[in-house]
Amino acid sequence: KQEVTQIPAALSVPEGENLVLNCSFTDSAIYNLQWFRQDPGKGLTSLLLIQSSQREQTSGRLNASLDKSSGRSTLYIAASQPGDSATYLCAVRDNDMRFGAGTRLTVKP
Amino acid sequence: DVKVTQSSRYLVKRTGEKVFLECVQDMDHENMFWYRQDPGLGLRLIYFSYDVKMKEKGDIPEGYSVSREKKERFSLILESASTNQTSMYLCASVNGRREYQETQYFGPGTRLLVL
Repeated sequence: KQEVTQIPAALSVPEGENLVLNCSFTDSAIYNLQWFRQDPGKGLTSLLLIQSSQREQTSGRLNASLDKSSGRSTLYIAASQPGDSATYLCAVRDNDMRFGAGTRLTVKP
Repeated sequence: DVKVTQSSRYLVKRTGEKVFLECVQDMDHENMFWYRQDPGLGLRLIYFSYDVKMKEKGDIPEGYSVSREKKERFSLILESASTNQTSMYLCASVNGRREYQETQYFGPGTRLLVL
């Protein structure tokens, strides 16, 4: 059964810093990997979706990479802002969709 | 834009009550899902549906049932609520013909407290 792990569970950085969030998964036979953002008490918003044949996806200040062979993905956030404060979840799609527990990011002004 | 709505943002119920959580999507998606989210555990799949009147158990179906009478609506039912069902419940939908290429779209969630 696929297991998805996100480290660290929480991260606090000063505004303007570049940062990396990590996601690892145990079975490389996936269709895609997604990164979501969740604000407190809210639903999930899709940020980036990387198909299994792709290595990375970019949207604005966000860049997500995928290394299927090693079972890893990273979400890079450039020039972080207080508005980036949220929980970031990764999810892998094989026959099911499996979510990590998330990384709670705080960007301090 | 896809819109997934859930009938309540917050609910407080008593142990033993029957609870209905409603989810509606407006993009004619075939596939709909119910998850619960608990701190440190991530999202766990309760039930999903690939079509009207079809349902499949997810990882944690015990204590829950579902109903899908119309394509746009997927209901989660707690037959007899218990305190361990206190959680955040999230509904999602995706285009069934492209479910391996596209993202699931999530509703805003219902935070349920069972006393």
